[in-house]
Order: sequence, then structure tokens, then C-alpha cells
Amino acid sequence: EAGVAQSPRYKIIEKRQSVAFWCNPISGHATLYWYQQILGQGPKLLIQFQNNGVVDDSQLPKDRFSAERLKGVDSTLKIQPAKLEDSAVYLCASGGSGGELFFGEGSRLTVL
Amino acid sequence: ILNVEQSPQSLHVQEGDSTNFTCSFPSSNFYALHWYRWETAKSPEALFVMTLNGDEKKKGRISATLNTKEGYSYLYIKGSQPEDSATYLCAGAGGGNKLTFGTGTQLKVEL
Repeated sequence: EAGVAQSPRYKIIEKRQSVAFWCNPISGHATLYWYQQILGQGPKLLIQFQNNGVVDDSQLPKDRFSAERLKGVDSTLKIQPAKLEDSAVYLCASGGSGGELFFGEGSRLTVL
Repeated sequence: ILNVEQSPQSLHVQEGDSTNFTCSFPSSNFYALHWYRWETAKSPEALFVMTLNGDEKKKGRISATLNTKEGYSYLYIKGSQPEDSATYLCAGAGGGNKLTFGTGTQLKVEL
């Protein structure tokens, strides 16, 4: 069974530029999550989708972050414009039947 | 669930040592407690999902216990090996499987 796919693995941009991350969850998983993990902190939930609907985006900085999950399969997380404090690992996960999350390898963003 | 705390922040042990970490969480509004292992340059991997007070789960040399009344979980590793070196994350789940993660315990097992 293929795992959660994410791209790109690494991205370096200047502040005020934009960036997009892509995630393809495990086939059949209805729930998809985007987490932000800043160095020294635990992963923080940015947005949770159930199929193509948003369940929770209360911690998503909506002035600069956006996410979509068209057709209830893969998802894109965008940051525009990026700030220095957005430097982090962006983790995508999908939900298994036992409640556990299956994570991708993450996209490491560095904002200069 | 807010304010999930883990201790210690980091741990260095020798190969063969047994070790344990703690995860504490508010006992109100509890639904489930998750443990994940995150090795460098890999994806976080689920170890356990526990829901019932008194739950004990085991996977090889790793086991975990859960006390929902007092709001803590312990993760034990018996006979640590270098391949156990990783960050161990716990997360509390409220309704809708929304997880709040702790900051993790970074384990380094040395030869």
C-alpha cells in the first residue's frame, strides 16, 4: 500500500514570495490533515479536511495561508506571502480506520 | 485537548538500557491518546492509539500505559537499541480526532 506522498521535500524562498505544497493521501482515507512543525515545537494542526470539506481551520493564518482539497483526494497548501516565521516542516497526514494518522515525510520550508 | 506536555525533552541512554517517557494531558474532554515515533528524514509513524483507562499496549520492545483519570501516559522501551533513536511524540485527541501534540522526547541511544 502506497503511503502519503508529499512534495517538494525541501524549499528555500525569500520572504514575501509564495510557495505551494502538495499532498496525496493514502487511497480511501477520507480525512486529511496539514500540520506545521516549527523547530523545538510539536506539530500544530493547520487544517483538517473530511473528503473535500473543511472540518477545522481555526489555527490556519487565513491572511496568508490557504488550502484546498478538490475532489476529496489530493490537497495543496499555499503560503502567500511568506514570512520568516513560516520556516517549518509542513506535514500532511491522512486518517486510518483505527484513528491513527499516517504521515508523509514532510516538506521543509526555509524562508530567508 | 489543549496543553499536552512531554518529559523529558531529551534523553541519552546506552545500548541495552531500558527507558521511559511521560505524556501528560488534561483528563477532561479526553477521547484518545496517540504515540508516534519520528526518525530523522522519515515520516512520523504511529505506535499506539489508546482510549480506555488502564490500557496497556505493546509492540516488540515498546509498550505504553494510559491513565485517563489522572491524565498521563507512559511509553517504555526495553533494551534500547541504536535504531530506537528518534523523537517520540504523544498527542491527545478530542472529538473529531483533532490531535494536539506535545513537543516530543528526543531519544539518542549510544553504543
